[in-house]
Amino acid sequence: AQSVTQLDSQVPVFEEAPVELRCNYSSSVSVYLFWYVQYPNQGLQLLLKYLSGSTLVKGINGFEAEFNKSQTSFHLRKPSVHISDTAEYFCAVSENNAGNMLTFGGGTRLMVKP
Amino acid sequence: KAGVTQTPRYLIKTRGQQVTLSCSPISGHRSVSWYQQTPGQGLQFLFEYFSETQRNKGNFPGRFSGRQFSNSRSEMNVSTLELGDSALYLCASKRDVTDTQYFGPGTRLTVL
Repeated sequence: AQSVTQLDSQVPVFEEAPVELRCNYSSSVSVYLFWYVQYPNQGLQLLLKYLSGSTLVKGINGFEAEFNKSQTSFHLRKPSVHISDTAEYFCAVSENNAGNMLTFGGGTRLMVKP
Repeated sequence: KAGVTQTPRYLIKTRGQQVTLSCSPISGHRSVSWYQQTPGQGLQFLFEYFSETQRNKGNFPGRFSGRQFSNSRSEMNVSTLELGDSALYLCASKRDVTDTQYFGPGTRLTVL
């Protein structure tokens, strides 16, 4: 069985500051990792995904994440946030690279303050 | 290109009733998955359909069912509604097994 833990339920940060949203996973098999963003009253949008290869993954909107197998982590980072980044962020894991049957973390609400 | 469409966007039902939600995938996408999102349980996988066949199913009771039509449109049905079924139900589609999944805006179901 696999599971995902997002260590922070809320992260307040000032505009233009850097941010890191933490994600740890557990799985007995190889995993594929994803970060999604959900804006109010909307569905999920894929930010980035790690399937294989380079452990540093770049996504949309200036976000990036680093896969660390030894620490079973996949933290999301952005060097400078904007007000428009205020949203809920979800880390997810799948046991196949098709991203089927995603197991999601509990989400982290990023609140960017002016 | 139109995105994933879900209808209705909002729905209010009472306990014991049944409900059907609809999802129209992006044109050309053959895989449709359903997820339930609640404040308590978070996002949970319900089931996935590909070319009218259920490929995967999450850990939900038999009251939750779904189907996919030949045009890839999908419906999910919940019978004998319970208060705990109140949730945002998200549909996602993808072209094939290796494609990125695209989510719709969801249907918010409230059970009174």
